[in-house]
Amino acid sequence: EAQVTQNPRYLITVTGKKLTVTCSQNMNHEYMSWYRQDPGLGLRQIYYSMNVEVTDKGDVPEGYKVSRKEKRNFPLILESPSPNQTSLYFCASGPPSNTQYFGPGTRLTVL
Amino acid sequence: DAKTTQPPSMDCAEGRAANLPCNHSTISGNEYVYWYRQIHSQGPQYIIHGLKNNETNEMASLIITEDRKSSTLILPHATLRDTAVYYCIVRVANYGGSQGNLIFGKGTKLSVKP
Repeated sequence: EAQVTQNPRYLITVTGKKLTVTCSQNMNHEYMSWYRQDPGLGLRQIYYSMNVEVTDKGDVPEGYKVSRKEKRNFPLILESPSPNQTSLYFCASGPPSNTQYFGPGTRLTVL
Repeated sequence: DAKTTQPPSMDCAEGRAANLPCNHSTISGNEYVYWYRQIHSQGPQYIIHGLKNNETNEMASLIITEDRKSSTLILPHATLRDTAVYYCIVRVANYGGSQGNLIFGKGTKLSVKP
């Protein structure tokens, strides 16, 4: 089944403790991206990747890192999480010229 | 900012057609109209997209006006499971770099009622 998977789905952590949210797709898509969703602010893009080893900032990249060492994986790294990064995170992937497919989401709480 | 305008909410009776409007008066010639929906807090789900011709798939129909300044998403027989927030997005199809970003506005919250 074609899908985008994210892990973990739920995470509660403390300020400053490094964490990684994994994203994997099995559709051989070149384009992958991360969004966060907050009440009243909607979905905003954090980072995106056009292909392996090619990443770029989205609209709200501060406090996040990404890497794209393999085509299928696009992890989101929070080196020192803060409470303002409490949010619902979505990974998405798609072919370069068409629709994007979203993962199920990761709900992160930073205390 | 989102380049589209949608009503904040709409109701629809179960089994009836749901017609969701979207205004995109500043759309460019190379921009497509995309529709996504988000059920509760699940990941957004692609529905349909089009350039200027009307489009239909197994989920919905998309009607784009001749001047391309507005469009309507039609769910022909709405069910309770179609209750969701529907997003209308304009974006170039063959994109590079940041053009691939999906700019989500506030969308329309569709409530399908029994």
